[in-house]
Amino acid sequence: RKEVEQDPGPFNVPEGATVAFNCTYSNSASQSFFWYRQDCRKEPKLLMSVYSSGNEDGRFTAQLNRASQYISLLIRDSKLSDSATYLCVVTHTGGFKTIFGAGTRLFVKA
Amino acid sequence: DAGVTQSPTHLIKTRGQHVTLRCSPISGHKSVSWYQQVLGQGPQFIFQYYEKEERGRGNFPDRFSARQFPNYSSELNVNALLLGDSALYLCASSFEGVDLNEQYFGPGTRLTVT
Repeated sequence: RKEVEQDPGPFNVPEGATVAFNCTYSNSASQSFFWYRQDCRKEPKLLMSVYSSGNEDGRFTAQLNRASQYISLLIRDSKLSDSATYLCVVTHTGGFKTIFGAGTRLFVKA
Repeated sequence: DAGVTQSPTHLIKTRGQHVTLRCSPISGHKSVSWYQQVLGQGPQFIFQYYEKEERGRGNFPDRFSARQFPNYSSELNVNALLLGDSALYLCASSFEGVDLNEQYFGPGTRLTVT
């Protein structure tokens, strides 16, 4: 079993739709959580950190459930420019390692 | 402010050769991490350096090594290249260790081994 798992998609949604991504992690010592987006053949870019209390940035909302060991990302009112791969990232202090999920591909259609 | 820079952008090597990739972090950032990304997968963690010391290592063979310099720039070295080493190599910097801070990625070095 992979340490960080994501639904690979792809998710195909129309403009204006709401889409949710989930990510599960297996290491209970995981400490910090992030969502990155990666455009085709580009480097990953930080989208948002994920806090225990949940956090929101405009159309994007991230939540963390430590008991069930998953994090989620909700995108409201999808734009064409949201088309990208969304990467779930987990870090843990024990091994000073950062683990990326394989990513979920999102296509937003006009 | 300049972001993370990496050199070279593209590189073609032959099996068995050695390669050195370079990374300069964002000014003020003390931690550099290296990742390997093959098509269709997320980045795989190779090393983390903080204040010139190795703090973390992923599941990569000893052919992979790295170091961080006093100015916080870093080099990734790969010896005895294999075809399977062909990938995008990403460098990321953060203010402190990756367990505490967000990471910012450079554009990567695309390595092709023939």
